[in-house]
Amino acid sequence: GENVEQHPSTLSVQEGDSAVIKCTYSDSASNYFPWYKQELGKRPQLIIDIRSNVGEKKDQRIAVTLNKTAKHFSLHITETQPEDSAVYFCAARRGIGGAQKLVFGQGTRLTINP
Amino acid sequence: GAGVSQSPSNKVTEKGKDVELRCDPISGHTALYWYRQSLGQGLEFLIYFQGNSAPDKSGLPSDRFSAERTGGSVSTLTIQRTQQEDSAVYLCASSQALPPLPSTDTQYFGPGTRLTVL
Repeated sequence: GENVEQHPSTLSVQEGDSAVIKCTYSDSASNYFPWYKQELGKRPQLIIDIRSNVGEKKDQRIAVTLNKTAKHFSLHITETQPEDSAVYFCAARRGIGGAQKLVFGQGTRLTINP
Repeated sequence: GAGVSQSPSNKVTEKGKDVELRCDPISGHTALYWYRQSLGQGLEFLIYFQGNSAPDKSGLPSDRFSAERTGGSVSTLTIQRTQQEDSAVYLCASSQALPPLPSTDTQYFGPGTRLTVL
């Protein structure tokens, strides 16, 4: 089955700097890769996603890149702000056979230092 | 509109007791998913429903865990004879899961039920 590895497990950056979180996946049939942000005590919220027919997607200060050949994808946050502090999860999903489960990475705790 | 809701928000039970956790998906969403999040860990898939059928139950940890969905809407996750290792936050998600997949199949999460087994 699918296995998603996420690194680093914790990341601390100065406000205004950039943060990068990386994930690798094992199942070549996976074709959808969302990123969720989870603030303390809150539900996971989708912040950006990418499909396998796209190499890069950007939404304001966040961007995601996908390398299908290498089976890895990354989240980039630029000009970080204190409200970016949270746990971020990457996930992968197969695109065939109807609705499919998400397989999540272990999460990255991002701390933005003022 | 209303998002995914779950009840109760917190549940404390004694080892060996049965518990029922409820999930109300977003109206019109045909797919419903259960995940488990242990303290400081990632989200672990348990089971999902397409309509009232469960095509994938592969994540249920043991036969003490079961789930059902009726009327294509509300789902209940039941844990029998609870153990301390069952303590976790149980998250429910729903998605439209309508053709053409997967372009519109974003999963939206509920707030979770925090289960503590003493």
